[in-house]
Amino acid sequence: NAGVTQTPKFQVLKTGQSMTLQCAQDMNHEYMSWYRQDPGMGLRLIHYSVGAGITDQGEVPNGYNVSRSTTEDFPLRLLSAAPSQTSVYFCASRRRQGSSGNTIYFGEGSWLTVV
Amino acid sequence: KQEVTQIPAALSVPEGENLVLNCSFTDSAIYNLQWFRQDPGKGLTSLLLIQSSQREQTSGRLNASLDKSSGRSTLYIAASQPGDSATYLCAVSAQTGANNLFFGTGTRLTVIP
Repeated sequence: NAGVTQTPKFQVLKTGQSMTLQCAQDMNHEYMSWYRQDPGMGLRLIHYSVGAGITDQGEVPNGYNVSRSTTEDFPLRLLSAAPSQTSVYFCASRRRQGSSGNTIYFGEGSWLTVV
Repeated sequence: KQEVTQIPAALSVPEGENLVLNCSFTDSAIYNLQWFRQDPGKGLTSLLLIQSSQREQTSGRLNASLDKSSGRSTLYIAASQPGDSATYLCAVSAQTGANNLFFGTGTRLTVIP
């Protein structure tokens, strides 16, 4: 059971470049989400999805796009990278709210530097 | 907006000591509260989840309590070990819009052998 898998682990981008962070889970979880973690701040929600074909914005969505074409995958796209998007990005998944076992599972993170 | 605070930001204890980590939140209308462990360069691992209707949860040497009315939670670690060294994060899930977890900035724990 691989859990939540994120790629790439590390990436350096130039300002203005675009890229996609990949996230896949093999637990058949309905909910998936993307967080960013910055020094001195707690993790903040970027976008989330409650199921295939359904996405919504979190606390800090600007500059990011997501899609959910399958239950397993939830990619995060940076459209035009900015230095302010230098951060550690975490993908997470869990079963739908209200079911037993609402534990959330995180990937190991993607370290992104925008220069 | 929900604000989650963890104090202290860092803590060093000798091996074998019992310790308490604190978490406070501003809005008591929560769905649940979770404690996580984060090792350097790694993702978060869920340690304990407390539903809003519960007062505490236990797992091995860990015990988490929740006082929703006062907006506080504690994580008690018994007989600390060097392997417990990590950053501990708490996060609350709101009753409405429960898809978002609001995280504290964590307590970095060092257990000295």
